[in-house]
Amino acid sequence: KQEVTQIPAALSVPEGENLVLNCSFTDSAIYNLQWFRQDPGKGLTSLLLIQSSQREQTSGRLNASLDKSSGRSTLYIAASQPGDSATYLCAVEGRGSTLGRLYFGRGTQLTVWP
Amino acid sequence: DAGVTQSPTHLIKTRGQQVTLRCSPKSGHDTVSWYQQALGQGPQFIFQYYEEEERQRGNFPDRFSGHQFPNYSSELNVNALLLGDSALYLCASSRGGNSNEQFFGPGTRLTVL
Repeated sequence: KQEVTQIPAALSVPEGENLVLNCSFTDSAIYNLQWFRQDPGKGLTSLLLIQSSQREQTSGRLNASLDKSSGRSTLYIAASQPGDSATYLCAVEGRGSTLGRLYFGRGTQLTVWP
Repeated sequence: DAGVTQSPTHLIKTRGQQVTLRCSPKSGHDTVSWYQQALGQGPQFIFQYYEEEERQRGNFPDRFSGHQFPNYSSELNVNALLLGDSALYLCASSRGGNSNEQFFGPGTRLTVL
């Protein structure tokens, strides 16, 4: 059974710092990996999607890498801003009979203070 | 493009009651998945609908059932509500029945008293 773990569970940093959020998964047979952002009590906003054949994706100040063989992904946030404060969720999509099903970690709660 | 919409936004029920949640997928999407997110947890997959049929199901009891309509909108029904069913219920839509990026709605917050 696929299990997804995110470290750290919470992070509080001053504005301007560069951040690394970590995600690990137990079964390397994934179709893709997505990083989401969730504001309190709200739905999920997709940030980056990395196909299993890719190594990284970039969008603005965000960069996500994927090492499928070791079951790890990192989300790098450059020059953090207070508006980045949210919970960041990592999800992997299964293959075969579980294609289309997302397995989520518990998230990293990020606070960026001015 | 309205994106994924869900109704209602909030709902309060008592134990033993039944509830129906609704989801309209993003324009052009034909696949709908439902997730349950308890407080402080990551979302858990409930089931997925494509072509009006349940394609996959997560580890949820039969009290959780669903339906997809010809216009691709979907309903999630929960019978005999328990306190532990209190959660944010998220709907996600995608295109084509195969793996494609999933887009999430704002969720329905269900509170069971």
